[in-house]
Amino acid sequence: ELKVEQNPLFLSMQEGKNYTIYCNYSTTSDRLYWYRQDPGKSLESLFVLLSNGAVKQEGRLMASLDTKARLSTLHITAAVHDLSATYFCAAGGGYGGSQGNLIFGKGTKLSVKP
Amino acid sequence: NAGVMQNPRHLVRRRGQEARLRCSPMKGHSHVYWYRQLPEEGLKFMVYLQKENIIDESGMPKERFSAEFPKEGPSILRIQQVVRGDSAAYFCASSPGVNYEQYFGPGTRLTVT
Repeated sequence: ELKVEQNPLFLSMQEGKNYTIYCNYSTTSDRLYWYRQDPGKSLESLFVLLSNGAVKQEGRLMASLDTKARLSTLHITAAVHDLSATYFCAAGGGYGGSQGNLIFGKGTKLSVKP
Repeated sequence: NAGVMQNPRHLVRRRGQEARLRCSPMKGHSHVYWYRQLPEEGLKFMVYLQKENIIDESGMPKERFSAEFPKEGPSILRIQQVVRGDSAAYFCASSPGVNYEQYFGPGTRLTVT
């Protein structure tokens, strides 16, 4: 059964600092997603990672995937207040389950303070 | 191209009533997924449907919950005899095929009083 764990679950950062959110998954998965959710809103897709060694960057966010270690990271560079949100990773395509559904981590609630 | 649409956005039901949540996928998408999000939690998969077929309902509670995706019209998640524990945000996602990226709707926030 595919399980996804994120850490930390809560992250308070100062503006301008760097930090990394980690996402571990328990069995082989061929797809890893990162989403952002603002309070009371839906999920906004940030990154789709499909292969070992994949690295994608958008603005101050960079995501990477290591399928051998079953680990994805979301790196935040020089954080700004607008990045305050909850970030979820989700894995799919794992063995032992449907190829369709996604398994989500519990989310990392990020708060960026001035 | 309109995104995934869900209605209603907010739904209040008394205990014992029925709740019907609707999801219209993006144009060209024939795969629909329902997820539930409890407060301060991640999303939990409930059911995966294609037109007129349930592909995977392993995340659905065995009783009171049902889902359909008819040939015409939106996908519907139905909760009978709601209880307070059903209060949550219910998100629908769609994709053009299995293993394609899923696009999420705005969600329906169900409150059971």
